[in-house]
Amino acid sequence: DQQVKQNSPSLSVQEGRISILNCDYTNSMFDYFLWYKKYPAEGPTFLISISSIKDKNEDGRFTVFLNKSAKHLSLHIVPSQPGDSAVYFCAAEETSGSRLTFGEGTQLTVNP
Amino acid sequence: DAGITQSPRHKVTETGTPVTLRCHQTENHRYMYWYRQDPGHGLRLIHYSYGVKDTDKGEVSDGYSVSRSKTEDFLLTLESATSSQTSVYFCAIRLDRAGELFFGEGSRLTVL
Repeated sequence: DQQVKQNSPSLSVQEGRISILNCDYTNSMFDYFLWYKKYPAEGPTFLISISSIKDKNEDGRFTVFLNKSAKHLSLHIVPSQPGDSAVYFCAAEETSGSRLTFGEGTQLTVNP
Repeated sequence: DAGITQSPRHKVTETGTPVTLRCHQTENHRYMYWYRQDPGHGLRLIHYSYGVKDTDKGEVSDGYSVSRSKTEDFLLTLESATSSQTSVYFCAIRLDRAGELFFGEGSRLTVL
C-alpha cells in the first residue's frame, strides 16, 4: 500500500523554465509534508516543507503547494537551473508522528 | 551542525552471511532511522529508534534487526543476507524541526 505516490519517474525541462513535480497521498492523517533532494552518491537533503494548515510555502526559487481536498502536493522550481538536476522525494508525516513516509522519487533533469 | 557517519560505505558479501551496518551521530538526537533506497520504491523505512534500547519496526523490517545501546550509535544487522537485500542503506536522525530528517551518505551493500 503506497501511501505517498510520485507518478512521474522522470522529468526533463530546459534551463530557465519552470519545473513542476507532483505527489499524491492517500492517508488523510498526514498533516506535514516535505520535499527532499538527492544527488548521486549522497544522502537526501531537506528542501522545503509545508504544514496542512497552509496551502503554499515559498523559499527562494522553490514553492510547495498543498491541495488537501485532492490529497495532492506539488513542488515548483522557478527558474530551473542545471544544478537542480537530482532525484526529488516527497514525504509525509502524521500528526504527532515520528516517521516519514516517502514517495518513489522523480528524477529531474534540467538541460542547459 | 548535525553529523552522521555510516560504516562501511561499501560492502560486498555472499548470501547467507551476517552483515552489520553502523550509524554514528555526533549529537544526542533521540530519534534515529534506517531506510533503504531501491529503484522504483524510493526510500522505505526498515527500523527506527526513539531512545536507547527503544526501537520499532518500519514497513520493510523482515530480515533485519537493530540495536541501540548508546544514544549515538544505531546498528542495523542482516542476520543472513539475501540478494533481495542488495540496496543502498541510509541512516537518518530527526532534527528538532518538525518532520525534518538529516541523512547520512549511505552504505551500498551488494549481496552475491
